[in-house]
Amino acid sequence: GAGVSQSPSNKVTEKGKDVELRCDPISGHTALYWYRQSLGQGLEFLIYFQGNSAPDKSGLPSDRFSAERTGGSVSTLTIQRTQQEDSAVYLCASSLGRSPANYGYTFGSGTRLTVV
Amino acid sequence: AQSVTQLGSHVSVSEGALVLLRCNYSSSVPPYLFWYVQYPNQGLQLLLKYTSAATLVKGINGFEAEFKKSETSFHLTKPSAHMSDAAEYFCAVSEGGYNKLIFGAGTRLAVHP
Repeated sequence: GAGVSQSPSNKVTEKGKDVELRCDPISGHTALYWYRQSLGQGLEFLIYFQGNSAPDKSGLPSDRFSAERTGGSVSTLTIQRTQQEDSAVYLCASSLGRSPANYGYTFGSGTRLTVV
Repeated sequence: AQSVTQLGSHVSVSEGALVLLRCNYSSSVPPYLFWYVQYPNQGLQLLLKYTSAATLVKGINGFEAEFKKSETSFHLTKPSAHMSDAAEYFCAVSEGGYNKLIFGAGTRLAVHP
């Protein structure tokens, strides 16, 4: 596609439920990143994919968070047993190649997750 | 580990005035540095980036930033603010072999008539 697409754009869920957030990167972009933006906070790195592999998962805040990427394209971030502190905007970014600092990162518009 | 500090969570300027948003970084290696802008309910848009070429980097919408190694700074400036510049601005450094971005906490810019 022309840009990074994220769905849903908004999600309200009850505490304790599981949610899945989807990111569809730009076609051909091998690098994919997930970030979390909490109210009043900056952006926090969650996980990095190169192709289908995730060599850096250091930002996942707990074992309730997981992510996968299939076919080197679409990625899904799953949050199990959601808690109110999970409420945030989840942003996805993709980049061409292994030097995104040179190629640049393209961000999606994010999924706003609200846990009630 | 690298880090980014943005001084001032809120900055307010008059339309037509100079915009100066401050960013300091820490890095043990020559960094890649970025400024992003986020308009309400939108994703992040790249304003400009420094990748060890010219120290004065020009970006979109009339913004520019100067890399000063001695001060470990990468401040963002615009000579004359416009109402449409009101947004949140994030400074970021690219870290490590995976080039993940480490962001500052952001500066919300308000422009008043």
